[in-house]
Formats: sequence, structure tokens, C-alpha cells
Amino acid sequence: GAGVSQSPSNKVTEKGKDVELRCDPISGHTALYWYRQRLGQGLEFLIYFQGNSAPDKSGLPSDRFSAERTGESVSTLTIQRTQQEDSAVYLCASSLGGRGQETQYFGPGTRLLVL
Amino acid sequence: KNEVEQSPQNLTAQEGEFITINCSYSVGISALHWLQQHPGGGIVSLFMLSSGKKKHGRLIATINIQEKHSSLHITASHPRDSAVYICAVLKGSNYKLTFGKGTLLTVNP
Repeated sequence: GAGVSQSPSNKVTEKGKDVELRCDPISGHTALYWYRQRLGQGLEFLIYFQGNSAPDKSGLPSDRFSAERTGESVSTLTIQRTQQEDSAVYLCASSLGGRGQETQYFGPGTRLLVL
Repeated sequence: KNEVEQSPQNLTAQEGEFITINCSYSVGISALHWLQQHPGGGIVSLFMLSSGKKKHGRLIATINIQEKHSSLHITASHPRDSAVYICAVLKGSNYKLTFGKGTLLTVNP
């Protein structure tokens, strides 16, 4: 089956605009993760969804960031009023059961550039 | 100081050489992951370990929980091994990973 997919693969936007990033996890994976990778930095955890439980939003850097997930399928990460420091690669991953000690499967990422 | 430190930051080797990448962490962990990020960004999980040693093909990962240290070894390195290798630890929550900054490996033919 297909792996984790993300869209768009690249996004260039102007400062102040809103952007929406999409992630399609592997079918049957109940856990979904969003990460951010800024240039020269390690990956940062943003948000975690597990089944129908309340998401862990503790990694979201500001209230301009929000994410939703429809059931156990598609997730969208929305950044409102984008700033230049939001420029990064946004990576989505999914795993089977969300118990942590299991393999996470990563998508190809969305490269966001805020001008 | 970052909770997860990798060394070296950059490593250049000749094809066939034995490679070692190190990861040290400063917190108690339940598991450690090694990931590979290819040019172009795709990330692949290589290993997940909580004790001892794991081997997959030419790759070997070891962890010493008491010393809070893990190593990733590549035997008979090949140019296709060129990538960024990332260490990540699971601190106690069952899902939130903390990542090192990665080691950029370049293997020349």
C-alpha cells in the first residue's frame, strides 16, 4: 500500500497569508504526528493525534498554528498569518498504534517558504 | 545544551570505510530511534532500540543505557549511504520524540 503522503510538496507564500498543509497517513494507522524541521535544526514535535483521543498540542509554537484530523484519516496543519520564521519543512508521520515504541513512517514533507 | 547531542556533525568517508556516528542524551529514556534522511528530505526509520544491539544488513546500532550513549555503525560504506543520520529519544511519554540535529554523512567513491 501507499506510504504517508503530504501536499503540497512545496509552498511559497507571502508574510501574513494563511497556509494549509495536508497529510494522508498510512491506512489503518491510528497515530499521526506533525513535526517541523527548520534549516540547520533538528526536528521539532508539533502535535500528536491518537485515534479519538484529545490531541497533544504541546509542541505548537504559537496560537497561529492549529491542526485537525478527521477520524483516523487525513490531517491538516494550518498556519495563520504566516511569518518568515515559519519557513521550514513540515513533516507528517504515522504509526500503527501510537504506543511510542514502534516505527514511525514519515511523509516526504512540505517545504514552506514565507517571503 | 540540547538533550540529544550527535557527533560528528559532518563526516566524510571513502567508499568501503567503517563509519561510526555517536549519540549522547542527558535524560532517562524508554527507547532510542535512528533515522536516515536522504537528500530531498525523505526520512526512513532504521532502528528502534531500548537495550543492547541490533543489526540490519551493513548497519549496526548499539545502546548503553547506563552511559546514556548510542552508536550507529555502517560497515563497508557506499556512496548510497550518503544521508543525514538522526538520533531521537523517547523520554517517557509513549510517543513524543526528542531529536538530535543529525550527522551529515558523505561517502565518496
